[in-house]
Order: sequence, then C-alpha cells, then structure tokens
Amino acid sequence: TQLLEQSPQFLSIQEGENLTVYCNSSSVFSSLQWYRQEPGEGPVLLVTVVTGGEVKKLKRLTFQFGDARKDSSLHITAAQPGDTGLYLCAGVVPYNTDKLIFGTGTRLQVFP
Amino acid sequence: NAGVTQTPKFQVLKTGQSMTLQCAQDMNHNSMYWYRQDPGMGLRLIYYSASEGTTDKGEVPNGYNVSRLNKREFSLRLESAAPSQTSVYFCASSEEGGQFRAGELFFGEGSRLTVL
Repeated sequence: TQLLEQSPQFLSIQEGENLTVYCNSSSVFSSLQWYRQEPGEGPVLLVTVVTGGEVKKLKRLTFQFGDARKDSSLHITAAQPGDTGLYLCAGVVPYNTDKLIFGTGTRLQVFP
Repeated sequence: NAGVTQTPKFQVLKTGQSMTLQCAQDMNHNSMYWYRQDPGMGLRLIYYSASEGTTDKGEVPNGYNVSRLNKREFSLRLESAAPSQTSVYFCASSEEGGQFRAGELFFGEGSRLTVL
C-alpha cells in the first residue's frame, strides 16, 4: 500500500512568515499534484510536477519534486491570511495500480 | 459555471438505513470519482469510473455501490449505513481517460454524512 505522509499536520503562523510543507513516501510516483482546500469546499488544484527535481513557482508558492520522485515540498514565502487552508499532495502511482493517492494533509492557519 | 454538483450537502442516517449520493458534472469529462475524507487521513478513493459504462473499485469500496448513469452523472449508494461511514464525501471529475493520466481533478463541495 502506497502512503503519502505530510508534515507538519498542523501549522499556525503569523502573516509574513515563511513555511515549508513536506510530502514523503517510500514509493515512486509518475507525477505529483498539490491541492488546496478551504472549509466547506472541495480541493482545488494548485500545481502538477512531473519530472524528478522539477521546481515550479506560483507567485509566493514554490513546489519541488524530489529527484527520485518519492517526495515533494511546498514552500510559501511571506504567508498571508488568504493562504489559510488544507494543503493536500496527491501522487500518481505508476505501473499496475495507476491510482491517485492523496496525502494526509497539512492544515495551515495564517493569522493577521 | 456549475462544475461538479453534489446532493445532498448534509444527511443524517440511522444505522442500517440506505441512501444515494448524487453527482453531476457539466464539463463533459470522461472520468468521475467518489472519495471520502476523514480527519488525518486525506482523501481515500471509494470507486471511480474511467468512462461511461465502466466502474472500478478504489481503496475503500466495501459497503458502497456506484452507478455511472450517463456521462454526466455518477451516484454512490450506501445499502446499509454503518457509523464507520460517517464522513465527508466528495465527487470529482477529470477530462483524462483515467486517473493514471495525472489529469486535474475538479471536486464538488462535498456531502457531509452522519450515521448514528
């Protein structure tokens, strides 16, 4: 069974601080997606990373896919209250199962 | 501008009762999915349908059945609800031919189900 562990599980920070969320597995993934979910809504895709070592930037958010395609990180610079939400990584499992496995989630609260 | 629509948004059941969660998408997507979300466990796939007329089990299919009524609609049925099925259920769709294609998932707003 493939597992995607995210850390930290919870994060409370002040506006303007930087943070990093990690998504780790012992399994290799074909690609990895990051979603953000706000209360009462479904997750919304932020980015997809496909190549080992790939780095993608989305304004203040930087996403990196590990060289071995087993892990990923999300770094937020100068966090804002609007970044508050649940961040989920999701890996596409290659070969036989070909499934999209979601991580355990990181709940971020940014205080003004 | 509807995207993925789920009904009902809230439901309370007694153990042993049955119910159906409805899902419809207006994006002409081939693939549709049902996930459940529980605290600290992320989203777990219950069933998915790669195309009209096909359905496949996901990670946690026990206690559920699905029907892909047509390209737009994918329903999830609980035949005999149990307290362990208390959860938030999300329907999603994607334009790719299967979830292995790494397509973007578009989610509904969720259905919160409580089984007493």
